[in-house]
Amino acid sequence: QVQLVESGGGVVQPGRSLRLSCAASGFTFSNYGMHWVRQAPGKGLEWVAVISFDGRTKYYADSVEGRFTIFRDNSKNTLYLQMNSLRPEDTAVYYCAKGEGTEGAGDYFDYWGQGTLVTVSS
Amino acid sequence: DIQMTQSPSTLSASVGDRVTITCRASQSISTWLAWYQQKPGKAPKLLIYKASSLQSGVPSRFSGSGSGTEFTLTISSLQPDDFATYYCQQYDSYSQTFGQGTKVEIK
Repeated sequence: QVQLVESGGGVVQPGRSLRLSCAASGFTFSNYGMHWVRQAPGKGLEWVAVISFDGRTKYYADSVEGRFTIFRDNSKNTLYLQMNSLRPEDTAVYYCAKGEGTEGAGDYFDYWGQGTLVTVSS
Repeated sequence: DIQMTQSPSTLSASVGDRVTITCRASQSISTWLAWYQQKPGKAPKLLIYKASSLQSGVPSRFSGSGSGTEFTLTISSLQPDDFATYYCQQYDSYSQTFGQGTKVEIK
């Protein structure tokens, strides 16, 4: 069965960096676009970033453009999110999600991980 | 970006009730719309994609309809397991966006 397991969350000071990982299993990882979606405490869902199946195409939400980088290692079946210049408003549970298609542009999410909490606070 | 607006924000209902949630898009998205269910402390779960296609394993009491800018999620007979928050999501463009959510509470 499909499994997505996030790790790397924690408490970090404003302006610092953090890298999240998402280990995938149960499907052919290299065939699908992958996404990060976040949810601030008590708030709704916000799409963050997407990467195509081959890693060549990436898109970001305006709120993280220039600060966050999504990348993947298909040999390790792992998705990453490098988060730099973190702000208090980046505090959220971060979910990785499998896209239904290959490119990720215009996708729904058929499987989700359990999420990892990132808290940005001094 | 395409804005998604759900109504109502909160809905109080009883077991056995028919429940309808509405989602409106700020511009036409054809049928590129999905619905998710989320319970407290859990990840969202896909219910419906392409506006009306039921995801495998999802009970048939859930159904979706609509196209263009107006969409609905209907639960034909509310069950105890259905009390949760529901989100719509457009995927017409790479910048996928969600509605603000509808919380279905016990009346």
